[in-house]
Amino acid sequence: DAGVIQSPRHEVTEMGQEVTLRCKPISGHDYLFWYRQTMMRGLELLIYFNNNVPIDDSGMPEDRFSAKMPNASFSTLKIQPSEPRDSAVYFCASRQAGGYNEQFFGPGTRLTVL
Amino acid sequence: GEDVEQSLFLSVREGDSSVINCTYTDSSSTYLYWYKQEPGAGLQLLTYIFSNMDMKQDQRLTVLLNKKDKHLSLRIADTQTGDSAIYFCAESIEGSSNTGKLIFGQGTTLQVKP
Repeated sequence: DAGVIQSPRHEVTEMGQEVTLRCKPISGHDYLFWYRQTMMRGLELLIYFNNNVPIDDSGMPEDRFSAKMPNASFSTLKIQPSEPRDSAVYFCASRQAGGYNEQFFGPGTRLTVL
Repeated sequence: GEDVEQSLFLSVREGDSSVINCTYTDSSSTYLYWYKQEPGAGLQLLTYIFSNMDMKQDQRLTVLLNKKDKHLSLRIADTQTGDSAIYFCAESIEGSSNTGKLIFGQGTTLQVKP
């Protein structure tokens, strides 16, 4: 398996633009997580899905952020409009139900909003 | 609420042992984890410990768990320059839905000097 795939790896955009980050979880995994990592705030959980259904979005910063999972193999995190304070590394992770709950992380998308 | 605390930085000499410490708050956590993040990459599970264990050893890694004090430590024996990375402590938050949501610490940057 190729692991969790994220695209793009780097994104530079201007304030006010819409940004869409993409994630393909590991096949067969039931849970998908979106995290944001910054120097100031560390690693924050934004939202997670179980069987394509959003379970907890309490970490989503504000209404400018939205996430979807239209099917088991694809999820998007959208920021509209983007702001400089959204600059961060965004990680997607997935895991299977049961076991010891290991989450497998993608390589991340480094977002810079100018 | 749930919280995981770690020291931010540790510097050791190659060949020495490294000990990274962590405190957590949720006494109901079933599993506790150590993740490793190398530069420019996502987090990768290093090891985990079940909450009814006091110690787990895996080659150069030793995990100690003190449930009474809610303290977790990771010892790396014979530390190598390749061990330089950020190490995250995490606890699983078990709810009625057994989501396996993880709460991560801020990460400890381990610097290994030759």
